[in-house]
Amino acid sequence: ILNVEQSPQSLHVQEGDSTNFTCSFPSSNFYALHWYRWETAKSPEALFVMTLNGDEKKKGRISATLNTKEGYSYLYIKGSQPEDSATYLCAFIGGTSYGKLTFGQGTILTVHP
Amino acid sequence: EAQVTQNPRYLITVTGKKLTVTCSQNMNHEYMSWYRQDPGLGLRQIYYSMNVEVTDKGDVPEGYKVSRKEKRNFPLILESPSPNQTSLYFCASSVIGNEQFFGPGTRLTVL
Repeated sequence: ILNVEQSPQSLHVQEGDSTNFTCSFPSSNFYALHWYRWETAKSPEALFVMTLNGDEKKKGRISATLNTKEGYSYLYIKGSQPEDSATYLCAFIGGTSYGKLTFGQGTILTVHP
Repeated sequence: EAQVTQNPRYLITVTGKKLTVTCSQNMNHEYMSWYRQDPGLGLRQIYYSMNVEVTDKGDVPEGYKVSRKEKRNFPLILESPSPNQTSLYFCASSVIGNEQFFGPGTRLTVL
């Protein structure tokens, strides 16, 4: 089983703070990295699909970067809002099996008003 | 409305009683997958399917079976459920390589 790690496990920030968290994955045999947002009592929803080293993607106040050579991706949230509170998951897909996803354990973000 | 549906949403059963959780998508996606979510362990892939009649094991396939006879359906079968299969199960579908669309989840309790 591949090792995909996310840090920190949980994070508490104040409304308006900017924050970031990390997903580490194997640096060899990379195919893609996904980011998902998972709110309590709902289903995970896709944020980004990242495939190229150096990729930077942005959706509103949320952005992500990718470094496949060193095996990490950062997710940034600018000006956090209470509605950003959720678990953020990354999922690694290796080059030998495009259908196999390995998820990290997630970062639980709580934004306090 | 584009969606992935799962049934049942909640199920309490007893050890050894065969059950099937259905999953259906209306987006004509080739790829479908099953995951289980357990506290502290994140989402773990059980089985996936790249197309009709093509299925492969994920990281935790023991105790589960799947079939993909039609593009839209991907049922998860537990032939003889055990208490360690108590979990929250998600089905997902996608265009191969693209973002996954998740179903609403099925909470299974095996007594």
